[in-house]
Amino acid sequence: QQQVKQSPQSLIVQKGGISIINCAYENTAFDYFPWYQQFPGKGPALLIAIRPDVSEKKEGRFTISFNKSAKQFSLHIMDSQPGDSATYFCAARRGGSYIPTFGRGTSLIVHP
Amino acid sequence: DADVTQTPRNRITKTGKRIMLECSQTKGHDRMYWYRQDPGLGLRLIYYSFDVKDINKGEISDGYSVSRQAQAKFSLSLESAIPNQTALYFCATSGGGDYGYTFGSGTRLTVV
Repeated sequence: QQQVKQSPQSLIVQKGGISIINCAYENTAFDYFPWYQQFPGKGPALLIAIRPDVSEKKEGRFTISFNKSAKQFSLHIMDSQPGDSATYFCAARRGGSYIPTFGRGTSLIVHP
Repeated sequence: DADVTQTPRNRITKTGKRIMLECSQTKGHDRMYWYRQDPGLGLRLIYYSFDVKDINKGEISDGYSVSRQAQAKFSLSLESAIPNQTALYFCATSGGGDYGYTFGSGTRLTVV
C-alpha cells in the first residue's frame, strides 16, 4: 500500500513553463513534508520542506502548496529551466519518527 | 570532500558472490540509513541505525545485512548476491532535530 502517491511519473515542460508535481497521502499523523531533487549520477538532495501549519512555502522559483483537508501537497517550479531536469521525490514523515515515506518519484525534463 | 561518501561507485559482481558496500560520513550524525532505488519504485529502506549499537530492519531487508562499525561508518552486505539485487544503493544520514536526509552519491550494483 502506497502511503504517499506521487504523480505524474514523468513530466516534460518547455523552458519558461511551470512544472507541477503532486503528492497525496492518507496518514493524518504526517507532520513534515520534504521534497528531494536528484540529478543523474547523484544522490537525492533536500530541496524544500513544509509543515502542515502553513499552506505555502516559497524558495526562489520553487513553491510547495499544501492542502491539509485534501491531504495533498504539490511542488511548483516557476520559470522552469533545463537545469531543473532531474527526478523529484516527495516524502512525508510521521510525528515522532525520523524515517519518511517517499513517493515513487517524478522524472522532469525541461526542454530548451 | 563529500559529507557522505559511498564506495565503490560502481560494481559488477556474479550471482552468489558476497559483496560489501561502504558508507562513511563527516556530518557527525547519529542516524544512518541504507536505501535501494529502482526505476518506478522510488526509494525503499533496507536498514537503518540510530546509533552504533542500534540496527533496525527496513521494508526490504531480506538478503541484506549491515554493520555499524563506528558513528561515521555504516556498511551494507549482500551475503549471496542475486540478479534482482541489481539496483542503485544509497546511504543517507540525519541528525539532531533536523529531519532532512543527506544522501551519498550512490553505488550502482549489477549482479550478473
